[in-house]
Amino acid sequence: EPEVTQTPSHQVTQMGQEVILRCVPISNHLYFYWYRQILGQKVEFLVSFYNNEISEKSEIFDDQFSVERPDGSNFTLKIRSTKLEDSAMYFCASSEAREQYFGPGTRLTVT
Amino acid sequence: GNSVTQMEGPVTLSEEAFLTINCTYTATGYPSLFWYVQYPGEGLQLLLKATKADDKGSNKGFEATYRKETTSFHLEKGSVQVSDSAVYFCALSDRHTNAGKSTFGDGTTLTVKP
Repeated sequence: EPEVTQTPSHQVTQMGQEVILRCVPISNHLYFYWYRQILGQKVEFLVSFYNNEISEKSEIFDDQFSVERPDGSNFTLKIRSTKLEDSAMYFCASSEAREQYFGPGTRLTVT
Repeated sequence: GNSVTQMEGPVTLSEEAFLTINCTYTATGYPSLFWYVQYPGEGLQLLLKATKADDKGSNKGFEATYRKETTSFHLEKGSVQVSDSAVYFCALSDRHTNAGKSTFGDGTTLTVKP
């Protein structure tokens, strides 16, 4: 069964550094999403992406964040200058219609 | 905007007990409703879904019925097992917009004791 994959599974970085989280959505899906989950808290929407542009973003998704689909398969989330409060699990999801398929997540730890 | 409210946890049950986790929602459009399960240290797994009013989603003994009149999607299981211990998230996806982002509840932690 096709699945969404994410790399790396765990990323440790120092405050102020740039990180890029990578996702490979399911191949025939057209809608892509990033969510985050701070430890022990709810899953929060960050951004949705369709037709090579952002279709919606939350207030969390400020100028420090960006997304890109650099080729036909990858979907990336970049955080330009990480803060301690960016430590969280980041989930990528893709969708063909209503149902979203989630990846296993990348745990980002900012020290 | 859209929102999802889940019953507060944690919930602790004995094996073979009956489980209900309440979920109510607020949405402007015609959402699809989902339950996701997250086992310790893992990602989100879709447990079941319902896409329109009166639909019943079911999987692995879990069930939930889309009740438009009460805006609810309560999760039930007749006999829980220790392996069901996890965090359960109720979520909705608003099909009114093509973007269809998901809105999640706070999650309910279930612990099943032998």
